[in-house]
Order: sequence, then C-alpha cells, then structure tokens
Amino acid sequence: DAGVIQSPRHEVTEMGQEVTLRCKPISGHDYLFWYRQTMMRGLELLIYFNNNVPIDDSGMPEDRFSAKMPNASFSTLKIQPSEPRDSAVYFCASRTGRGRPEGREQYFGPGTRLTVT
Amino acid sequence: RKEVEQDPGPFNVPEGATVAFNCTYSNSASQSFFWYRQDCRKEPKLLMSVYSSGNEDGRFTAQLNRASQYISLLIRDSKLSDSATYLCVVRGGTGFQKLVFGTGTRLLVSP
Repeated sequence: DAGVIQSPRHEVTEMGQEVTLRCKPISGHDYLFWYRQTMMRGLELLIYFNNNVPIDDSGMPEDRFSAKMPNASFSTLKIQPSEPRDSAVYFCASRTGRGRPEGREQYFGPGTRLTVT
Repeated sequence: RKEVEQDPGPFNVPEGATVAFNCTYSNSASQSFFWYRQDCRKEPKLLMSVYSSGNEDGRFTAQLNRASQYISLLIRDSKLSDSATYLCVVRGGTGFQKLVFGTGTRLLVSP
C-alpha cells in the first residue's frame, strides 16, 4: 500500500494567492482528517470526513479555509486568500472505522510545508 | 487549559538511560489513549496504544491513570534512534472520533 499521499510536498506562495493542498487516503479507509502543525500550537485538527461527508469543521480557522472530498480517494484543502500566518505544515490522515476503537490507527501523509510570504 | 498537556522538554539523556514522559488530559470521558512518535520534519506515527491495565512493547511501557487523568511513557535503555518528539494523544470530541494531540515532548539521546 502506498500510504496516504499528499501533494505538493512544499508550497511557497505570496500573500493573497489561492493555495490548494491535495490528499489521497489509503484505499478502504472511510475517515479522512486534515491537520495543521505549527511550533506554537502543535498539531490541530481542522476538519474530518466520514464516507466523504464533512462531520466536524470546528477547527477550520476562518472562512478563508475550505475542504472538500468529492470521492473516497481524493480530498482538497483550499486557502483563499492566503496569509503569512497560514504558514505551517498541513497533514492529511486516514483510518478505518471498523474494529476496536483503540485499534483504529490514524495513518498520516508526509505533509505539505506551506510558506506564505 | 489545553485538553492534553505535556512538558515540551527537551529531555537530554545519554544512551542507555531510562526516561519517562508524562501527560495529563482534561476530558474525563475520553475513551482511548495513544503515544505517537514524530521525527524531525516527518509525519507522526503511532508508537503504541495505552490500555487501562498498562502495556509494554519491548523497551517501551505505557500506563494510564484514569482517576488522575494521567498518561505516562517509560523508555528503558535509550538508543540514539529514540531521539524524536513524543506526542500524547487522546480520543475525544463528539462521538469520540477525533484525536486530540499534545504539543509533544522532545527527546534527545546522546552517545
């Protein structure tokens, strides 16, 4: 299995530009999570999907952020317009909803390192 | 107050030492507990789940105290390769589908 795939791995953009981050979860996983990690705040959950449906977006910082999951094998996180404070590493993770709760390991992608200048 | 709190460290220890990390969580209804490991500039990876009775995996021992809402990780005979950030993780949120991460404790093992 290829694991969770994210693209791009690095993104440098100017303030005000639109940024789109992409994620392909592990095949068969029905939960997908988007996280943001910074030195100051650590790893924060932004939004998660179950069976392609957004379940909890309470972590999305503001309306500039949006996420979609059009099918079971693809999700996007979009920032429009981007700001310097959005600079962070964005991780996508997926897991199965089956089995015992403590066994439902989340598998993380390698992350997208975003720098907004 | 943060939902999961950890000492950020760093913990600097020599090879072969025993080191312990602690973590406290605020939601008494939390169901599942984990330790994740994150290497520099890499993604977090599950190290071990934490069970109520305590559990061991080789040199690693995890313990849970539900009454005190406290989780610990003990690493015996530290190796250079143990150098990483260790994240305490609690399953919470509505329906307990979300993982809540501590900010991590950094461990540096030196020769």
